Amino acid sequence: NAGVTQTPKFRILKIGQSMTLQCTQDMNHNYMYWYRQDPGMGLKLIYYSVGAGITDKGEVPNGYNVSRSTTEDFPLRLELAAPSQTSVYFCASSTGTGETGELFFGEGSRLTVL
Amino acid sequence: QQQVKQSPQSLIVQKGGISIINCAYENTAFDYFPWYQQFPGKGPALLIAIRPDVSEKKEGRFTISFNKSAKQFSLHIMDSQPGDSATYFCAASIRPGRGSTLGRLYFGRGTQLTVWP
Repeated sequence: NAGVTQTPKFRILKIGQSMTLQCTQDMNHNYMYWYRQDPGMGLKLIYYSVGAGITDKGEVPNGYNVSRSTTEDFPLRLELAAPSQTSVYFCASSTGTGETGELFFGEGSRLTVL
Repeated sequence: QQQVKQSPQSLIVQKGGISIINCAYENTAFDYFPWYQQFPGKGPALLIAIRPDVSEKKEGRFTISFNKSAKQFSLHIMDSQPGDSATYFCAASIRPGRGSTLGRLYFGRGTQLTVWP
């Protein structure tokens, strides 16, 4: 069972470059999320989606864009990379309903902007 | 503004000891309090969760204690083992229910637990 798959696992960008972090899930979950994790700061929500074609901003959306054309995929786009975007990015999914609302996370993508 | 405050930032415990991590919140609308466990190089995974209508929930060696009046909750790890060494995050949200949308999860800043053998 693959669960939530993120690519790439590591990436180094130069300031001003653009890139897309890929996320796909095979659990048929409607809800998908992008978080960033910085040391000692916990997990901050960047964007989330409640279903194909629907996205919304989280706590720290500036500098990022997302799209959700299918249930399975939720890519995160960085248009003009800045050093402040150096972080570990986690994609997650959930059913969005039910008793637990458990989030299933991918293994993360470590991004360094130099 | 940090919606959920977590302490300590790091914790060192001897094997067999009790690990205690504390969290506090202000928003009284929160009614779902999960704990996530994260091993190095991995994503967080749900460990245990509680709703505010109970004061304690136990699953194996892991127990959540909840104090609604104080707006505090804590994770207790009994008989701590080296394999428990990980980062633990508390979180809070409005609990999803059947047919309702999932509330956003607000995470604490995390506690790095090290259990010495």
